[in-house]
Amino acid sequence: KAGVTQTPRYLIKTRGQQVTLSCSPISGHRSVSWYQQTPGQGLQFLFEYFSETQRNKGNFPGRFSGRQFSNSRSEMNVSTLELGDSALYLCASSLVAGGVYEQYFGPGTRLTVT
Amino acid sequence: EDQVTQSPEALRLQEGESSSLNCSYTVSGLRGLFWYRQDPGKGPEFLFTLYSAGEEKEKERLKATLTKKESFLHITAPKPEDSATYLCAVQTSLRGGSARQLTFGSGTQLTVLP
Repeated sequence: KAGVTQTPRYLIKTRGQQVTLSCSPISGHRSVSWYQQTPGQGLQFLFEYFSETQRNKGNFPGRFSGRQFSNSRSEMNVSTLELGDSALYLCASSLVAGGVYEQYFGPGTRLTVT
Repeated sequence: EDQVTQSPEALRLQEGESSSLNCSYTVSGLRGLFWYRQDPGKGPEFLFTLYSAGEEKEKERLKATLTKKESFLHITAPKPEDSATYLCAVQTSLRGGSARQLTFGSGTQLTVLP
């Protein structure tokens, strides 16, 4: 079974620009969560989508947004990029939301903001 | 607020030298505790889920245990390929009973020398 895939794997953007990252979950998984990982803050939860609805949201500014499509694929968007947005963005999928289900992570998208 | 603390931050072992990693947590209403392994430049790889105090799980040279306040990841006779960052995460309950998102510790960077 194919794992979680994320595109692109690497991205370099300039301050003020916007970026869209994509995530395809494991086949059959309906919940997608997004995390930001930095050396200083570790792994921090951004948001979770299930059945095209945002189910939960972390403490990030409104510049960070996401959506989920009917095939469970998800995108996250960051507008007006700041230098501090440089991070590894990880997507994780699980079978459903609301229960204690393992989350399986993709390889991540490394975003560098210059 | 849920808090997860991992220790030590870094650990260097000789091949074959067994040791334990610690994950202590302060949460209300633990639903599950997860262990992940992360290699440089990759997404976290799921290892174990523990649900209640007293539970133990094993996989090859790894054994995870859970008490009411902490979890241990025991590594028996480690090999160089066990070198990675080991992350623990807790999942608690939202109001209404459904599971909240994962809260991660900062990880233990394990290096096993040949």
